[in-house]
Amino acid sequence: QQPVQSPQAVILREGEDAVINCSSSKALYSVHWYRQKHGEAPVFLMILLKGGEQKGHEKISASFNEKKQQSSLYLTASQLSYSGTYFCGTALMKTSYDKVIFGPGTSLSVIP
Amino acid sequence: NAGVTQTPKFQVLKTGQSMTLQCAQDMNHEYMSWYRQDPGMGLRLIHYSVGAGITDQGEVPNGYNVSRSTTEDFPLRLLSAAPSQTSVYFCASSTSGLPPYEQYFGPGTRLTVT
Repeated sequence: QQPVQSPQAVILREGEDAVINCSSSKALYSVHWYRQKHGEAPVFLMILLKGGEQKGHEKISASFNEKKQQSSLYLTASQLSYSGTYFCGTALMKTSYDKVIFGPGTSLSVIP
Repeated sequence: NAGVTQTPKFQVLKTGQSMTLQCAQDMNHEYMSWYRQDPGMGLRLIHYSVGAGITDQGEVPNGYNVSRSTTEDFPLRLLSAAPSQTSVYFCASSTSGLPPYEQYFGPGTRLTVT
């Protein structure tokens, strides 16, 4: 049930763009994106729901292809502060008893 | 608000010992969960709770017990510690969304089992 993330790692120069992908073999109800800096706890970035609803805190965009069970996180004009590991989490059912399962993560390094 | 707090921050156990990792939140969140994080494995769900008195298993529940007697607290108990349980443990909480929306993570407990 664990989602698959790609790429495993990416290195960017400041100002460059990146796309991180998340996919599942099962029908998804929601996709959750988090970023974790080294030695810190994960921090919420965005949630995308089946049907098109999105909620997020930062100026980071993402998409959710319900037919392909895929989500992509778009990081544009990257900054040094974007460095960290990005996790996508997925939930299968629209019930309060469901659980969020995370993928293995994508390591992003932004260099000057 | 303190948010999500976890104690202890670090712990070393010997094989076979038991202990309880504490987790508390002061945001009146109904949904709480425990994850473990190992290098290259991401965050793996151990147990979760949708409210006081209600708990369920996640991906890797074996060797762990939980209970939820209050909204604020969600302790994780290691029954008989094994070296394979060496990991960083994160507790998280969320408002009662369908499914849970933004999860707030605690600072983590780094556990070493020798």
